[in-house]
Amino acid sequence: AQTVTQSQPEMSVQEAETVTLSCTYDTSESDYYLFWYKQPPSRQMILVIRQEAYKQQNATENRFSVNFQKAAKSFSLKISDSQLGDAAMYFCAYRVYGGSQGNLIFGKGTKLSVKP
Amino acid sequence: DTGVSQNPRHKITKRGQNVTFRCDPISEHNRLYWYRQTLGQGPEFLTYFQNEAQLEKSRLLSDRFSAERPKGSFSTLEIQRTEQGDSAMYLCASRGKGDTIYFGEGSWLTVV
Repeated sequence: AQTVTQSQPEMSVQEAETVTLSCTYDTSESDYYLFWYKQPPSRQMILVIRQEAYKQQNATENRFSVNFQKAAKSFSLKISDSQLGDAAMYFCAYRVYGGSQGNLIFGKGTKLSVKP
Repeated sequence: DTGVSQNPRHKITKRGQNVTFRCDPISEHNRLYWYRQTLGQGPEFLTYFQNEAQLEKSRLLSDRFSAERPKGSFSTLEIQRTEQGDSAMYLCASRGKGDTIYFGEGSWLTVV
């Protein structure tokens, strides 16, 4: 069974600094997607960034980038120039590619605090 | 707003009562998901629809839970004979032809 592990329950970063959130996963599939979702106190889950497993190039979205290590099954999120609005729960998620199965498997999340 | 819409946003019910949540996915999204999230945890998959067909159900979806998606548009999630352990946020999400799953704001259930 696929699993997603986030080993950091809480992280803190100073405004304008950089922080990295860790995620590891376990799967026997070769084709899959990985995602980072942000859930602010309003509770709506918002997609931050996604990575296709077949792509070697790490995904980037403005201040957000990932370090995808397929062999190590690691998928960390780097937030540069942290802003107060980045404070939220961050969830790493996995989805297998194709087939009828399309559900996301989530980690337990990392609570990110941003200090002014 | 053309995002995923859920209602009611909050529901307080007495143990033993039935509750129903509604989800309106993004227009033309043929895939619809229900998840449950408890405090301090990530969302857990409950069930998945492709159009009107319910293709997958989690073991978390006990006999007291039923989900429907008539005509492949909106979906309902009904919980019968609610228990205190059912207290959680119920998230709906949808996906179209792309790879991204979009979430609604969730429906909070408190069973007292």
